[in-house]
Amino acid sequence: EAGVAQSPRYKIIEKRQSVAFWCNPISGHATLYWYQQILGQGPKLLIQFQNNGVVDDSQLPKDRFSAERLKGVDSTLKIQPAKLEDSAVYLCASSPTPGLAGEYKNIQYFGAGTRLSVL
Amino acid sequence: AQKVTQAQTEISVVEKEDVTLDCVYETRDTTYYLFWYKQPPSGELVFLIRRNSFDEQNEISGRYSWNFQKSTSSFNFTITASQVVDSAVYFCALSEAYDYKLSFGAGTTVTVRA
Repeated sequence: EAGVAQSPRYKIIEKRQSVAFWCNPISGHATLYWYQQILGQGPKLLIQFQNNGVVDDSQLPKDRFSAERLKGVDSTLKIQPAKLEDSAVYLCASSPTPGLAGEYKNIQYFGAGTRLSVL
Repeated sequence: AQKVTQAQTEISVVEKEDVTLDCVYETRDTTYYLFWYKQPPSGELVFLIRRNSFDEQNEISGRYSWNFQKSTSSFNFTITASQVVDSAVYFCALSEAYDYKLSFGAGTTVTVRA
């Protein structure tokens, strides 16, 4: 079974530029998450989708960050304009559909992440 | 609010030594899940173990074991007979029973020297 796919792996941009990250979750997983991981810290949830609807975006800086999951499968996360403090690894995760996966419904499976450097 | 604390920033051991990672959590929920994830240099977070709040039975899975104690809000993780491939950052995480959001600790970097 293929894992969570993310691209690009690395991105370097200058401040005030825009950037987009892509995530393709594990096939059949209804729930998708985007996390931000700053160097030396644990991941912090930015947004959670259930199919193509937003469940929680309370930690997403909406003045510059946006995310969508139009068809309930893959997702994009965008930053516009980027700031120096956005330098981090952006991780995507997915988990099985609640109610269908039984015991495994709340285990999140992560991609390798996109490392963003804002100069 | 949920909070996960991993007091150990770094641990360095020689191969075959045991490594114990400490995790202390805070939550007001009575039903919750605790996790350990491993993040090797490749960057991908790898799921290791999960425990729910109603099951304090400690188990062993291969070289991994865990000690869950609700009385002290601790969920410690042990790697027995460590190997160089165990070198990674290990994260403890907590989620509520119904919204599945993970709150992570800051991580503990484990270095296993040959």
